[in-house]
Amino acid sequence: SQELEQSPQSLIVQEGKNLTINCTSSKTLYGLYWYKQKYGEGLIFLMMLQKGGEEKSHEKITAKLDEKKQQSSLHITASQPSHAGIYLCGADNNNDMRFGAGTRLTVKP
Amino acid sequence: GAVVSQHPSWVICKSGTSVKIECRSLDFQATTMFWYRQFPKQSLMLMATSNEGSKATYEQGVEKDKFLINHASLTLSTLTVTSAHPEDSSFYICSARAYLAGSSYNEQFFGPGTRLTVL
Repeated sequence: SQELEQSPQSLIVQEGKNLTINCTSSKTLYGLYWYKQKYGEGLIFLMMLQKGGEEKSHEKITAKLDEKKQQSSLHITASQPSHAGIYLCGADNNNDMRFGAGTRLTVKP
Repeated sequence: GAVVSQHPSWVICKSGTSVKIECRSLDFQATTMFWYRQFPKQSLMLMATSNEGSKATYEQGVEKDKFLINHASLTLSTLTVTSAHPEDSSFYICSARAYLAGSSYNEQFFGPGTRLTVL
């Protein structure tokens, strides 16, 4: 099955700084999803990417899928404490979804 | 948007008892539902895929006799943790797939999760 590797595992940034989280797949991505979660709570859907080279933005969060469709990045501009949480990338895998290990983001005020 | 609910949101039980968790798609029908488990500081791990009217497909390492899944209708799947032990304590999240009107792909929607604590 498809394996997703996320980096970094954890990230601590000062409020106002930019940051990037990466998600690399062992296979071609046909649907790449980004979610945010606080442990013990449900997933918050952020964005879904399908096409090579695709880029989507929502507020201060931008996600890209590379041309080869094996890597995606999530970029947060001018981070705020409200951005703190666990970011998960998920990929379609024969009609189910598998997740990366997650990136725990801490934003220091 | 599509909503998936779970009940209960949290449960505490004694070791050796069984616990049932319900997952419902509230405003859409889902032929396929999924059950994930999440341990503290870890990601979601797929436990099983549940298809309406048929047996669930379990991931490697997941005991089907311990985690009983029933998908009796297009809007309800249940996960029963039988003879629960403290190591079964975890956060269980269900999910449902559906092609919604106006969407170009088969979307997956997640429930809010159920926190199980086995004493």
